[in-house]
Amino acid sequence: AQSVAQPEDQVNVAEGNPLTVKCTYSVSGNPYLFWYVQYPNRGLQFLLKYITGDNLVKGSYGFEAEFNKSQTSFHLKKPSALVSDSALYFCAVREGNTDKLIFGTGTRLQVFP
Amino acid sequence: GAGVSQSPSNKVTEKGKDVELRCDPISGHTALYWYRQSLGQGLEFLIYFQGNSAPDKSGLPSDRFSAERTGGSVSTLTIQRTQQEDSAVYLCASSQQGFGQYFGPGTRLTVT
Repeated sequence: AQSVAQPEDQVNVAEGNPLTVKCTYSVSGNPYLFWYVQYPNRGLQFLLKYITGDNLVKGSYGFEAEFNKSQTSFHLKKPSALVSDSALYFCAVREGNTDKLIFGTGTRLQVFP
Repeated sequence: GAGVSQSPSNKVTEKGKDVELRCDPISGHTALYWYRQSLGQGLEFLIYFQGNSAPDKSGLPSDRFSAERTGGSVSTLTIQRTQQEDSAVYLCASSQQGFGQYFGPGTRLTVT
């Protein structure tokens, strides 16, 4: 069965520093992977996705994610964090050949000024 | 174009009452999903509609929960005889094949 794991409940980083939010996956076949962000009292917003092609995927708000097949990871990264990046981040994988997504438990990112 | 919309944005109800939550998906999106998010928690899948196929109801927590999608567009999630543990944010999403899900702002349900 497909699954994703987000090993960190919270990540703290100083403004201006690079950030990484970790995600690992377990799928049979080629994975379709996604990152979503949820700002306080808001719904989820799509950040980026990997389906095929380049392992480095660029998304919204300056975020990018690196697909690593050997490590079964899809970590979210940003070169320079902003306080406004503070939010809840979810990794997800598509289930089978449907559009149904299986979400991770979420990682709360806190960027300190 | 317009995104996914949900109504109401907030709903306070008394224990034992029925509630209906509405979702208007993005026009043309064939798939529609309902999730539940308890305070500070992850997403709990509830139900998934894809075109004219039978819905995937595997996430519905009890028979008090039901959902329908009329005309392949608007969906209503109904919770009967609400309980305090039903208090959560209910999120709706829609998608077009292979393009990822787009979420509405959610309905915050509080059962008193």
